[in-house]
Amino acid sequence: DVKVTQSSRYLVKRTGEKVFLECVQDMDHENMFWYRQDPGLGLRLIYFSYDVKMKEKGDIPEGYSVSREKKERFSLILESASTNQTSMYLCASSPALAGVYEQYFGPGTRLTVT
Amino acid sequence: GESVGLHLPTLSVQEGDNSIINCAYSNSASDYFIWYKQESGKGPQFIIDIRSNMDKRQGQRVTVLLNKTVKHLSLQIAATQPGDSAVYFCAEWGSQGNLIFGKGTKLSVKP
Repeated sequence: DVKVTQSSRYLVKRTGEKVFLECVQDMDHENMFWYRQDPGLGLRLIYFSYDVKMKEKGDIPEGYSVSREKKERFSLILESASTNQTSMYLCASSPALAGVYEQYFGPGTRLTVT
Repeated sequence: GESVGLHLPTLSVQEGDNSIINCAYSNSASDYFIWYKQESGKGPQFIIDIRSNMDKRQGQRVTVLLNKTVKHLSLQIAATQPGDSAVYFCAEWGSQGNLIFGKGTKLSVKP
């Protein structure tokens, strides 16, 4: 079974703090994704990565950055957390196989910025 | 279907009845669609997918119907059970090479 793990289930940070959200997958997937999920807005893509050291902006990259130093690990960074970044953050991974589009999700990190 | 504003569409069904969850997609060129189920406190889980060269696909107790003419996707759940209570998301494969998710529908099953 594919396993995607996220470093924290719940996180509370103060405005202005630098926040790191970590995601690790154990299936040697090339593709990794970070989404945020807000009530009534569904999942919105922040950043994704097709390979180590590669990153692509999603729909809402502002205020975020990412790091992919190893294939299994994809980190989301909030350089200076703000209250409007309070949200559920979901990491996902998928293999780089032609015709395979399914993404496997982690359990999510609920971040509160006060 | 798609939600407006911050309110999630909800569907309430009696245990044992069939459920139909609808979704409209935006890109007529999309060739792949997927349904996810998200239970409270968990990440989304794959249910079933369908490619654009099909109009129907069946799984265990679930069926996905695709109507490309009106860009509409539906998920049918037979004999709905309490464990089916969750938020259901449809997603289409976007031109950027990633999934584009709908806003979700909350299914509540009454015992």
